[in-house]
Amino acid sequence: DSGVTQTPKHLITATGQRVTLRCSPRSGDLSVYWYQQSLDQGLQFLIQYYNGEERAKGNILERFSAQQFPDLHSELNLSSLELGDSALYFCASSEYPSSGGANEQFFGPGTRLTVL
Amino acid sequence: AQSVTQLGSHVSVSEGALVLLRCNYSSSVPPYLFWYVQYPNQGLQLLLKYTSAATLVKGINGFEAEFKKSETSFHLTKPSAHMSDAAEYFCAVSDQGGSEKLVFGKGTKLTVNP
Repeated sequence: DSGVTQTPKHLITATGQRVTLRCSPRSGDLSVYWYQQSLDQGLQFLIQYYNGEERAKGNILERFSAQQFPDLHSELNLSSLELGDSALYFCASSEYPSSGGANEQFFGPGTRLTVL
Repeated sequence: AQSVTQLGSHVSVSEGALVLLRCNYSSSVPPYLFWYVQYPNQGLQLLLKYTSAATLVKGINGFEAEFKKSETSFHLTKPSAHMSDAAEYFCAVSDQGGSEKLVFGKGTKLTVNP
């Protein structure tokens, strides 16, 4: 158990809909990262938050957004869903940013999104 | 930009045999490198990481990896495979541009035959 929790575990929805994925980081971790894992693209970084502020952005679609709340939990919002958005979405957390990026990221179990 | 190439999307070994999973990276600056393992229906777990302290890195479950700058490689090895090692393994490099995002390889699925 990494200490990172994600809900829900599974999500099935239809095209055009909007969903929210939730992540609670390990106790004490200030950084939260979101990754998407799909068969064709592999594991891709989406976005990072540190202590409530956006820190880095990857190949995140404009239809996707995220935020980190004062209690440090994070939500990833996916809207106008398309079939291609079906994937496993992971949240990870780490203690803090370091100058060299060597902090271990602890991954949650993921949310499997299926868009029909 | 950083990138990682994992040679071989599937590797099959016999129980007790050497495990060798290959990873090559591309980076214009000294990288930080990681190996993660993903068991079925689970998240990723860190096996080991290279942070320039030592070129031979020992990790959990008997795995180790050697950083070779001249070959831009960070191959993962284990002397003797166990059935419980069957999983998917990902090599990753961290972005040196200030963010700590991980750039992952495509992964290698390891099968261990009895």
